[in-house]
Amino acid sequence: NAGVTQTPKFRVLKTGQSMTLLCAQDMNHEYMYWYRQDPGMGLRLIHYSVGEGTTAKGEVPDGYNVSRLKKQNFLLGLESAAPSQTSVYFCASSHWTPGNPYGYTFGSGTRLTVV
Amino acid sequence: AQTVTQSQPEMSVQEAETVTLSCTYDTSENNYYLFWYKQPPSRQMILVIRQEAYKQQNATENRFSVNFQKAAKSFSLKISDSQLGDTAMYFCAFSKAAGNKLTFGGGTRVLVKP
Repeated sequence: NAGVTQTPKFRVLKTGQSMTLLCAQDMNHEYMYWYRQDPGMGLRLIHYSVGEGTTAKGEVPDGYNVSRLKKQNFLLGLESAAPSQTSVYFCASSHWTPGNPYGYTFGSGTRLTVV
Repeated sequence: AQTVTQSQPEMSVQEAETVTLSCTYDTSENNYYLFWYKQPPSRQMILVIRQEAYKQQNATENRFSVNFQKAAKSFSLKISDSQLGDTAMYFCAFSKAAGNKLTFGGGTRVLVKP
């Protein structure tokens, strides 16, 4: 099925460990985003990409790095995990065309716990 | 930077009744896009309704409608004939350009009671 796939769906890390979250989309979307959602809060933008090979900082980028080496993949890295990074992470993609200017598609989320 | 504010942390409504969720935003843009997303316990983000700022007519989608007041920077969502399946978190979101990054409000939890 077409859409946005996030892996893994759950992960527990120890403080100081590193990991990479993978986001893959098969819709040929140009734009991709990483958000985090903390309990009882809305989604906050971490990093985003407007095309292959490009990345930009969002609202809460500290402690994270991203890469968009292939158009279909957007990776989110945690270099040294901290308890404050315990959250649910959502990937999304979008593509603007005159016929579908609002096409945001979200992944199902990754629940990350840092202990 | 744009900001989106949802002033109601939680709302409850009886089944078949109507509930209205508030959303205000701050932007210097003249043209932009506004959205309401539903997030059930499954965590899935589901688009409920969207509105282009250049359109004066309020958007409607079945039981869901919005009241868009551009001058007041207000974008409320009305859920009519509430159903148990409407129980979820609802997020208001803003985008300054089609397909551009979304800025979300803090959310309103809606509980539909039987």
